[in-house]
Amino acid sequence: DVKVTQSSRYLVKRTGEKVFLECVQDMDHENMFWYRQDPGLGLRLIYFSYDVKMKEKGDIPEGYSVSREKKERFSLILESASTNQTSMYLCASSLWGGGSSYNEQFFGPGTRLTVL
Amino acid sequence: AQTVTQSQPEMSVQEAETVTLSCTYDTSESDYYLFWYKQPPSRQMILVIRQEAYKQQNATENRFSVNFQKAAKSFSLKISDSQLGDAAMYFCAYRANTGNQFYFGTGTSLTVIP
Repeated sequence: DVKVTQSSRYLVKRTGEKVFLECVQDMDHENMFWYRQDPGLGLRLIYFSYDVKMKEKGDIPEGYSVSREKKERFSLILESASTNQTSMYLCASSLWGGGSSYNEQFFGPGTRLTVL
Repeated sequence: AQTVTQSQPEMSVQEAETVTLSCTYDTSESDYYLFWYKQPPSRQMILVIRQEAYKQQNATENRFSVNFQKAAKSFSLKISDSQLGDAAMYFCAYRANTGNQFYFGTGTSLTVIP
């Protein structure tokens, strides 16, 4: 089974702190994604990466950065956490897209981040 | 940009009954994939069912089936014989054949009434 794990299920941080959220997948997937999930807004893409050291901005990259030094690991960084970044963060991975294959995304359990 | 619309924020169904969740999408692509994901309360998002755009036959997975209408850009999910464990948030998603990015709807929260 594909497994995507996230470093924390729940996290509480203070405004201005630097926050690291880590995601690890064990299926040798090329693509990794970070989403933010808020009620009524669905999943919004923050960043995704299609290879080591490669990244693409998603729909809401402001206030976030990412790092992918190894294929299996994708980190989301909040440089200076703010209260409006309180949310559920979901990590996902998939095989490289294109071609006649579904390449569905596999999700981690999520990290519920609260910024006080 | 592709958009995915789920117009029903909340739905409810009586246990053992059938419910249909709606999804529409907008794309100029001819080849793409569609997915329904389920997110139970406080649990991991999992894939329920998937459909290739160039396959005319609707996908089926046990009690879950889809009604895919390519011309209408509609992709609804039918859950038959609803069970308490079906209670969850359901997300419709789209991926173009040539792309890696997924586009998700805003979700439908399904309540199953015993």
